[in-house]
Amino acid sequence: GAGVSQSPSNKVTEKGKDVELRCDPISGHTALYWYRQSLGQGLEFLIYFQGNSAPDKSGLPSDRFSAERTGGSVSTLTIQRTQQEDSAVYLCASSLVYGEQFFGPGTRLTVL
Amino acid sequence: AQSVTQLDSQVPVFEEAPVELRCNYSSSVSVYLFWYVQYPNQGLQLLLKYLSGSTLVKGINGFEAEFNKSQTSFHLRKPSVHISDTAEYFCAVSGRIGGTYKYIFGTGTRLKVLA
Repeated sequence: GAGVSQSPSNKVTEKGKDVELRCDPISGHTALYWYRQSLGQGLEFLIYFQGNSAPDKSGLPSDRFSAERTGGSVSTLTIQRTQQEDSAVYLCASSLVYGEQFFGPGTRLTVL
Repeated sequence: AQSVTQLDSQVPVFEEAPVELRCNYSSSVSVYLFWYVQYPNQGLQLLLKYLSGSTLVKGINGFEAEFNKSQTSFHLRKPSVHISDTAEYFCAVSGRIGGTYKYIFGTGTRLKVLA
């Protein structure tokens, strides 16, 4: 009965370093989404996984961003060579197809 | 293309007054509609959803929304707001466009309830 979990909850890194953010979706949910939310802003779609289909990467802002989902469950979002503009809260959500999304608590990334 | 428009970025309203948060979408296919709420320093949670059936949908905390297909709208309403309703509200649309499934969020409306 656990919800979506994300780790770490906070990440402070130096400009130029790589970071990995993890998302554990709700068991049985076939869809997984990554979003970015900057301070006082709305949700920016990043990437969407659905079952074994090719992911929808149309929201990734640059080739420094990548994500994978192993075994149809856990997902990792990787940001290479971080920049200060990457600072934001990164949200993960999972759902059954077409259904409501269940959001994790987010990872707050700060790039110094 | 499918899109979601929340016309008001901020809505101030006095406590116990009614409120309507507007959401319009553009889509040529059948869609599912959602409202999510994000309380200060908290995660997003579902407020209500329309999948099919009755066009008037009731959600948590006394909120309701009406699906209007002819006006492609899904406005959120509450007859009497409380201070605790202060939050960011996001409208979302999902559906299959050209064989691709899309789930699109609006830019959000910040509701500020004043004492």
